[in-house]
Amino acid sequence: DAGVIQSPRHEVTEMGQEVTLRCKPISGHDYLFWYRQTMMRGLELLIYFNNNVPIDDSGMPEDRFSAKMPNASFSTLKIQPSEPRDSAVYFCASRPSGQGYGGELFFGEGSRLTVL
Amino acid sequence: GNSVTQMEGPVTLSEEAFLTINCTYTATGYPSLFWYVQYPGEGLQLLLKATKADDKGSNKGFEATYRKETTSFHLEKGSVQVSDSAVYFCALRVNTGNQFYFGTGTSLTVIP
Repeated sequence: DAGVIQSPRHEVTEMGQEVTLRCKPISGHDYLFWYRQTMMRGLELLIYFNNNVPIDDSGMPEDRFSAKMPNASFSTLKIQPSEPRDSAVYFCASRPSGQGYGGELFFGEGSRLTVL
Repeated sequence: GNSVTQMEGPVTLSEEAFLTINCTYTATGYPSLFWYVQYPGEGLQLLLKATKADDKGSNKGFEATYRKETTSFHLEKGSVQVSDSAVYFCALRVNTGNQFYFGTGTSLTVIP
């Protein structure tokens, strides 16, 4: 079975440029999460969706960040304009409903973003 | 609120040494507890979990017991291998929500 698929794996861009990260969750999973990982702050939840609807975006750091989930198999995280402090690894994770609160999260391999 | 506190790293051990990584938690509801492992350049993957008090999760020689009285879920392995070198994250999810709360991670390096 295919896992959570993220692209690109690595992105290097210059300050001020728009960045779009993409995620394909595991088929049948109706929860999708975006996390950011940095050395200083560890893993931070940015936003999560249920059935393509954003449920909690309180972790989105600023208006420069936006996330969409137009259908059950695709989500994007966009940063516009990007800044050097956005440099981090961005993870997408998904899980199915109906497994109780013991159900695990399944993570993608991450997108490493470097903003120069 | 809900939070997880892990022991500070990095941890460096010799092969075949005993490993303990401490994890304590606070939770507003009844939590399920998890250990995730992140190998270099990869995403997090579930190592083990426990969903109720006194449950023991185990996998690949690792174990952790859900201790409600001490609000702890310490990770242990009797004999570590070089291949266990990774970052380990303790996490919880409460029965009243969908969020997972992660600790800051503990980096483990095992030297031959």
